[in-house]
Amino acid sequence: GNSVTQMEGPVTLSEEAFLTINCTYTATGYPSLFWYVQYPGEGLQLLLKATKADDKGSNKGFEATYRKETTSFHLEKGSVQVSDSAVYFCALSDLTGGGNKLTFGTGTQLKVEL
Amino acid sequence: EAGVAQSPRYKIIEKRQSVAFWCNPISGHATLYWYQQILGQGPKLLIQFQNNGVVDDSQLPKDRFSAERLKGVDSTLKIQPAKLEDSAVYLCASSLDMVETQYFGPGTRLLVL
Repeated sequence: GNSVTQMEGPVTLSEEAFLTINCTYTATGYPSLFWYVQYPGEGLQLLLKATKADDKGSNKGFEATYRKETTSFHLEKGSVQVSDSAVYFCALSDLTGGGNKLTFGTGTQLKVEL
Repeated sequence: EAGVAQSPRYKIIEKRQSVAFWCNPISGHATLYWYQQILGQGPKLLIQFQNNGVVDDSQLPKDRFSAERLKGVDSTLKIQPAKLEDSAVYLCASSLDMVETQYFGPGTRLLVL
């Protein structure tokens, strides 16, 4: 079946540091890939997505590239801010069987300090 | 545009009691999803509706969980009777159709004592 593996957290960085959160996946077919962010006490928000190999998703300074050869979708940001502190979830969607099921990783907590 | 609405936001019950959660999707969204997010884990799909029909309920514990979307808009998820391991956040999401991006509500945090 499908699965998503994320690096474990928490990840603690100083403001303006470079961020990488690793994500690899296992899937049959050709899934779309997503990063969702969850701020404290809130629901999941879509951060970015990529629907096919070599696509780059980007939003709010974050970006991730769909790498089919390494089955990866690592999240990066050049300079993090305190307001980026949240839990980040990598996910894939599977349209086989007529559904649109999202399979999530376990999440990576990011803490950004001044 | 209003987002996905859920209520209640928090619920505390004792084991063996019943509980119901409500979800109102984004207007015009045909597809509605219920996910269970246990602490420290990613959300897991429980059930997916397309309009008022069930598309996928393969991971719904049907001996105790039920869900409906009678008029193709609002949905309710019920647990009866609840177990300790049902303590989790229950997330509702909706999408324009089955291939489009899913948008999530704030969730209902359930604690079963």
